[in-house]
This record gives sequence, structure tokens and C-alpha cells, in this order.
Amino acid sequence: QQQVKQSPQSLIVQKGGISIINCAYENTAFDYFPWYQQFPGKGPALLIAIRPDVSEKKEGRFTISFNKSAKQFSLHIMDSQPGDSATYFCAASYGGATNKLIFGTGTLLAVQP
Amino acid sequence: KAGVTQTPRYLIKTRGQQVTLSCSPISGHRSVSWYQQTPGQGLQFLFEYFSETQRNKGNFPGRFSGRQFSNSRSEMNVSTLELGDSALYLCASSPPTGTVQETQYFGPGTRLLVL
Repeated sequence: QQQVKQSPQSLIVQKGGISIINCAYENTAFDYFPWYQQFPGKGPALLIAIRPDVSEKKEGRFTISFNKSAKQFSLHIMDSQPGDSATYFCAASYGGATNKLIFGTGTLLAVQP
Repeated sequence: KAGVTQTPRYLIKTRGQQVTLSCSPISGHRSVSWYQQTPGQGLQFLFEYFSETQRNKGNFPGRFSGRQFSNSRSEMNVSTLELGDSALYLCASSPPTGTVQETQYFGPGTRLLVL
């Protein structure tokens, strides 16, 4: 119940295309869902996050779609660029005073020029 | 503002030794969390400290411990190192709200190799 399942493990997209990464969870106590981007040799950096009271959040080229009934959420990267090539992690956190994040297994994205 | 800093960046130890890693959070942040990142297990939560108190703990053995000082700097210690402890150890700090989840800002990590 503590797991967050992420797919695909790796993804190759052409420049200008749409990258889509999916995550699913079981624990309905989760109420905060961030996406992190990690480049080699760096720590993860927050891209965008959503709470269950909205179904979609957009920031620039990045959009989170959230389906509470299906317990699924996804990251869409529009107009993908070679600079977006990185590992992406979804995560989930419980409510209340905690910063404990449960991470998905990661998706290695390669955007080909 | 300066980001989260971690020292040392790289470390090589042998089995049975102990190690202490240090994390300086972003100025004004009071929450510090530690994560272990390995190719096999991914990113796993170790523990979180808030105002010098451990607020959450992950599923790691007691060989893994931490503490936080009054200036919010944090250290984690691993005793009796095992080969499987080889990993990237990441520290993350969060703003001082203290009541709801806040954005976590990660440091670059300390890469530990146990021989």
C-alpha cells in the first residue's frame, strides 16, 4: 500500500513530441503528488506538484493529470526538448505534518533531436 | 539563497566502518529529510527531522541514525557499514510551515562506496 508504481521505465521521444509518464498508487491517504526531475550527478528538483482536489495542473510545458477514482496521475511534457532528457520520478506523500515522500521507480527520458 | 549543501560529496569506506554525512539546509528551512538512492531500490526515505526532533522514520535498520542541530543542520550516521550501503545519500530541506507538505529542495548528494 505504500508503493507508487511508475511506468514506463524508459522512454524515447522525438524533439517536439509529447512525453507521457504514468504513476499509480493504492493508499488513499496520499494527498500530495509531486514530480521530480533528476539530471546525472544532481539531486532531484521539483517540477510540478498537485493535490487531489484538482484534476489537472499546468506549468509551462509540464502538465499533471490526476484521476482520483482510478488512483492514477501522469506527467505530460509538451514540445519535448533534448534538454528535457533526464530521469523523472513521481512521488506521493501523506497528509499532515510530514515531508516523507514515497517515490516511484523513475523513468529515463531521452529526447532525440 | 544558497541551496542545500552536502559534505562530503564522495566517500569510500570499508565494511564494518562507520560514516557521518552532513547536510546544511537552505537558510530558514527547519525540516531536513534524508533519502537513500540506489539503482536497485530507487529513492527510499530514511528519516525526517524538524526543529531538532525526528518526525518520521523509514524502514531502515538501526545502523542508520540521524540528528539535527539548533541551526537546522543535520547529520546522518551509518554504523557497521555493509556493501549494500553503497548509495547516493540525498538530503532535502523544506520551508518552515511545519504543518503541511512543502516543496522539498534536494542537495547534490553524497556518494558512498563501501568496499
